[in-house]
Amino acid sequence: DAKTTQPNSMESNEEEPVHLPCNHSTISGTDYIHWYRQLPSQGPEYVIHGLTSNVNNRMASLAIAEDRKSSTLILHRATLRDAAVYYCILRITSGTYKYIFGTGTRLKVLA
Amino acid sequence: EAQVTQNPRYLITVTGKKLTVTCSQNMNHEYMSWYRQDPGLGLRQIYYSMNVEVTDKGDVPEGYKVSRKEKRNFPLILESPSPNQTSLYFCASSPILAGGWADTQYFGPGTRLTVL
Repeated sequence: DAKTTQPNSMESNEEEPVHLPCNHSTISGTDYIHWYRQLPSQGPEYVIHGLTSNVNNRMASLAIAEDRKSSTLILHRATLRDAAVYYCILRITSGTYKYIFGTGTRLKVLA
Repeated sequence: EAQVTQNPRYLITVTGKKLTVTCSQNMNHEYMSWYRQDPGLGLRQIYYSMNVEVTDKGDVPEGYKVSRKEKRNFPLILESPSPNQTSLYFCASSPILAGGWADTQYFGPGTRLTVL
């Protein structure tokens, strides 16, 4: 079964870059990689997604390994408001339309 | 304001008493989904729906039912709740793109359910 593996927690200093890793060795060729984050007492919110190529948006960058078995979410300059749980997710596209969430990485940002 | 709403936000009930958690979205999204969130387990998908009258099981569907009679609503039904269904529940919706797949999901605020 498809799954993702993430570290339980990470720390970063404010205004420094943060690299959040995710392993998804069981990924299939058509599965998309999504990242969402969840702020305290809120529902998850979309951050970024990609299939094969690296992706950038105003919130973050997503670096996808060439074999697609791992990816890294990059926050270029962490702020205190980025403290959240970050979920790496596989969007399954073959025969079903499921989302498989990892257990998430709790990011602590130090002032 | 574009949003996904859930009701109730908090619910305490007893074992075996049927309950429904409602979910509604005002964005005309085709795809809707229910998740449960438990400590240490992240979010797990219960059911999803690609459109009206089209529903399918997620990873943890046992003990739950859903229906999709209208595009905007996707209620979650627990016919006989048990204590192991105590959890935080999230509803989400997303549009289906021209390529046939769901895009960014928008999540509701969550419903905290306690089954005694």
